[in-house]
Formats: sequence, structure tokens, C-alpha cells
Amino acid sequence: GQQLNQSPQSMFIQEGEDVSMNCTSSSIFNTWLWYKQDPGEGPVLLIALYKAGELTSNGRLTAQFGITRKDSFLNISASIPSDVGIYFCAGDMNTGFQKLVFGTGTRLLVSP
Amino acid sequence: SAVISQKPSRDICQRGTSLTIQCQVDSQVTMMFWYRQQPGQSLTLIATANQGSEATYESGFVIDKFPISRPNLTFSTLTVSNMSPEDSSIYLCSVVRRDRLTEQFFGPGTRLTVL
Repeated sequence: GQQLNQSPQSMFIQEGEDVSMNCTSSSIFNTWLWYKQDPGEGPVLLIALYKAGELTSNGRLTAQFGITRKDSFLNISASIPSDVGIYFCAGDMNTGFQKLVFGTGTRLLVSP
Repeated sequence: SAVISQKPSRDICQRGTSLTIQCQVDSQVTMMFWYRQQPGQSLTLIATANQGSEATYESGFVIDKFPISRPNLTFSTLTVSNMSPEDSSIYLCSVVRRDRLTEQFFGPGTRLTVL
């Protein structure tokens, strides 16, 4: 099935550093969602974006919906050890059926 | 977010057997979905669970292999039939709430290992 291209595949950073990851597609999406998955858990919704160009923050997280509607990025500022996990972007084509296409994931490791 | 529970949380099964996974939500939701996450991979949509009617399957997934039920607005089951080791995955249900129609919330997942 279709997948969104997410980069980088993995990141290993020091606590306190800022992190940036992005997601690109060949298709247009009308909604972008960012999730975090901890080991043994289901994905948890972090941020939802609904309009091209929209910039939304949730605490130390900031995400933007690309103008072309084919990409999105997620930034994490001042990373902490509990930010460790896998981050997934997901796009919804808004066909009316809320079917999500998921990105390939970015694995984040934070060193104390 | 909605409180979503899945049973079992994990299981180890023998080849050729079937396992039914349950998903229960604490409030009425509009849509329920089932996803598969193979080891180290992303999530892939299996099907949309439709209340009182047959599920809508995505390409590559068929009803004989993954029968789904949704008898009411808060409960759904996914059966993995005639299992093989390739079916070893995490199976997740997700829901869309009536008051958050553009967002999906996921259950904790069922980790299945087939020997």
C-alpha cells in the first residue's frame, strides 16, 4: 500500500538539542497528523494539521502543513529523555472515510 | 481521547489456528478501523469496521483471512484466521470520535506471535 516518505529514518541526539523530521508524499493530503509510539504501545496523537501553511504547536512540539499539501514537518525543541520513541506522520486524503496513510517512521533516541 | 482497550494484549499461537482480537471503546464513536504493524514497520490499514454490516477491506486483505465484526458502536473484533508465521505482527484498532471527526485514536495493540 501507499506510504509516506519520512526522514530521517533514525536520530540519536543529546538531551537539550532540537530535532526536526519531515514527511513527503507524491499525493496531496488534506489533513496531516503526527503520532508518537512508545515500545509496546499504540500510537498517540501529538498534533493535527488541517490547512495548507498551518503552523501548530503543542508544548515543545511544532508542526507545519506544507503549502503544496504534499509535505509536513515536526520539530521538537529542547529534547528530553522521554521524547524517545518512534514518530509517525499520517495523511488523510479526506475522501470522507478518514483512511490514514502512514509514514515510514523516525526513531528518536535521546542521550541524557 | 477515547479510552480504547484491546484483548488480548499479546498471544503466542500455533500455525494453522485462529485468534480473535477484541476492541472496546468507552464512548460511542463514528468509525473503527483495524491496522497491522509488522515488526519494525509502519502501520497498514486492514479494513474499516462497519456497524451492522460487512467490513470494507483494503487492497491485499480479504474477509476470509481477516473476518471483522462490529455489532455496535463501541465494540469490534478482528479474527486472524489460519495463521502462519508471516501473520506475526501488532494488530491495532483505532477510532474516530463524534466530536473529533478529523482525528484517529489508537488502542494499545495486540502483539501476535505465530510459531
